[in-house]
Order: sequence, then structure tokens, then C-alpha cells
Amino acid sequence: GENVEQHPSTLSVQEGDSAVIKCTYSDSASNYFPWYKQELGKRPQLIIDIRSNVGEKKDQRIAVTLNKTAKHFSLHITETQPEDSAVYFCAVNQAGTALIFGKGTTLSVSS
Amino acid sequence: DAGVIQSPRHEVTEMGQEVTLRCKPISGHDYLFWYRQTMMRGLELLIYFNNNVPIDDSGMPEDRFSAKMPNASFSNLKIQPSEPRDSAVYFCASSFAALHEQFFGPGTRLTVL
Repeated sequence: GENVEQHPSTLSVQEGDSAVIKCTYSDSASNYFPWYKQELGKRPQLIIDIRSNVGEKKDQRIAVTLNKTAKHFSLHITETQPEDSAVYFCAVNQAGTALIFGKGTTLSVSS
Repeated sequence: DAGVIQSPRHEVTEMGQEVTLRCKPISGHDYLFWYRQTMMRGLELLIYFNNNVPIDDSGMPEDRFSAKMPNASFSNLKIQPSEPRDSAVYFCASSFAALHEQFFGPGTRLTVL
């Protein structure tokens, strides 16, 4: 089955810096790559997603890049703010609709 | 819409007892997913339904777990008998279509003593 590796597991940055989280996957048939943010004690929420026919997608300070050949995709957060502190999960679809999630990255933004 | 609704929000039970978790998806969403989240194993898909039909239950840990979706407005996840290793946060999520945003419920924190 699909295997999703997410790095780093923890990331600490200063406010205003950029943060990058990377995920690799194994199934070349995967074609949907969402990113979810989970604040402490809250539910996961989608922040951005990308499909295999697109190499990059941006939404304000957040961007995702996809390299299908190398089977990896990354989340980029620019001008980080304290409210960006959370756990971020990448996910990949397996056998159609089922999502396999990475283990998560705990991002801490200090002011 | 109130979003995905789950009940109870917290459940504490003793080993061997039956546990029932409930979920009401967002109206009009055709897909419903059950996840389990633990520190050790992360966020795991247990089972998902499309138009009330179970599509993939390969994530269900063992026969002690079962899930049903009798109609478009309700699903439940049962654990019988429960064991301490079942302690986790169980999330229900729904989506309008395949490979679209999944909206998560607030979760049920289950503690099995």
C-alpha cells in the first residue's frame, strides 16, 4: 500500500521566517495531495491541496509544490506568524478516495 | 449547516464494555470517513462510506470494530468489547465528492480503563 513519509517531525522558526515541510510517497498512481492543519485540541482542517496535473499552487502565504517524478510534495509558509503554530499533516490518496496521512509536523513560531 | 456533528465528545469506559460513537455528516455530502488519532500511530483511516455503502474497511483494526451508515444523516462506530489500546480520539469526516475537502467533526476522545 501507499507509504507517506513526512519531515521534519518538529520545526521551530522565528516570526517572519519561512517554513518548509516535505512529504514523500510511494504510489505513482496517487493524484491528490492535501495539507491539513490541526491546532492543539482541535480538528484537522484543510489549508491547501494540489492535484497531479499542477506543479504548484499558492494561497496567500501558503504554497504547495509537487514533483511527481520524484514523488514528493512540499508545503511552504512564508512570513510565519504565531497563529501558524500547529501540527501540519500531508496526505496522499490511495486506491481512489482513501487518504493516507503523514505522521505530522509540529510547527512552532516564536515572536 | 452546523458542520459534522459527533457524539459523545468524551467517553470513559471500562475494558470489556461496548462503545458506540456517533456521527452526523454535513447535509449533501456523499462521503463519510472514520479516523482514529493517537500519538503513536497518527491519523489512521478506519473505514469510509460512499452514499451509505461501505467502500473500504481495510483500516478497521479487528473484528471488535464495526461501522454502519443506515442513512445519509447518520453513522456509528462500535467497539465491542473495548480494550485499553482502543483509547484514542476518533474523528468522523465528510466530503461532497471524492478527492475533495474533508470536513472533520470535533472528535470523540475515548478512554478505556
